[in-house]
Amino acid sequence: KAGVTQTPRYLIKTRGQQVTLSCSPISGHRSVSWYQQTPGQGLQFLFEYFSETQRNKGNFPGRFSGRQFSNSRSEMNVSTLELGDSALYLCASSATGGRTGELFFGEGSRLTVL
Amino acid sequence: DQQVKQNSPSLSVQEGRISILNCDYTNSMFDYFLWYKKYPAEGPTFLISISSIKDKNEDGRFTVFLNKSAKHLSLHIVPSQPGDSAVYFCAASETGAGSYQLTFGKGTKLSVIP
Repeated sequence: KAGVTQTPRYLIKTRGQQVTLSCSPISGHRSVSWYQQTPGQGLQFLFEYFSETQRNKGNFPGRFSGRQFSNSRSEMNVSTLELGDSALYLCASSATGGRTGELFFGEGSRLTVL
Repeated sequence: DQQVKQNSPSLSVQEGRISILNCDYTNSMFDYFLWYKKYPAEGPTFLISISSIKDKNEDGRFTVFLNKSAKHLSLHIVPSQPGDSAVYFCAASETGAGSYQLTFGKGTKLSVIP
């Protein structure tokens, strides 16, 4: 069974640009979450989608957005990039979107903003 | 404010000995707790979980203990092996919340010395 796939794995952008990251969940998983990992803050929740609906959003500015498609694939977008957006962005899928099921993470997309 | 705290950024243990990783939380609404392990350049992988109705859960060499009154949980690894060297994240969730969101600690880097 294929795992969670994130693309691209690495990317470099400059301030003011925008970026789109993609995530393909494990087949059959309907819940997709996004997390930002930085050295100082650990993993911070961005948002969670279930059946194309955003059910919850973390404490991030509106420059961070996402969506989920009917095949459960998800994208997140960051507009007007800032230096502080440099981070590892992790996507995770869950079988049920259930509250006690563990998350299965992808390897992440490493974003560097110059 | 940080709702899940891992106060030890790093821990070194001799191979064969016990590793104890600690985690404290402040949100009394958390009722499900998980530990994830992360190797460099990989996404976090689920290790073990515990519901608030229990105070202990075992899986092979890994045991998680929960002390609800102290809002404290710990992960014991016995015996520790060099392959256990990784960053360990404690995470918590509110199962009664509207969607599935994990709140993570900042992680503890475990080094198991051969």
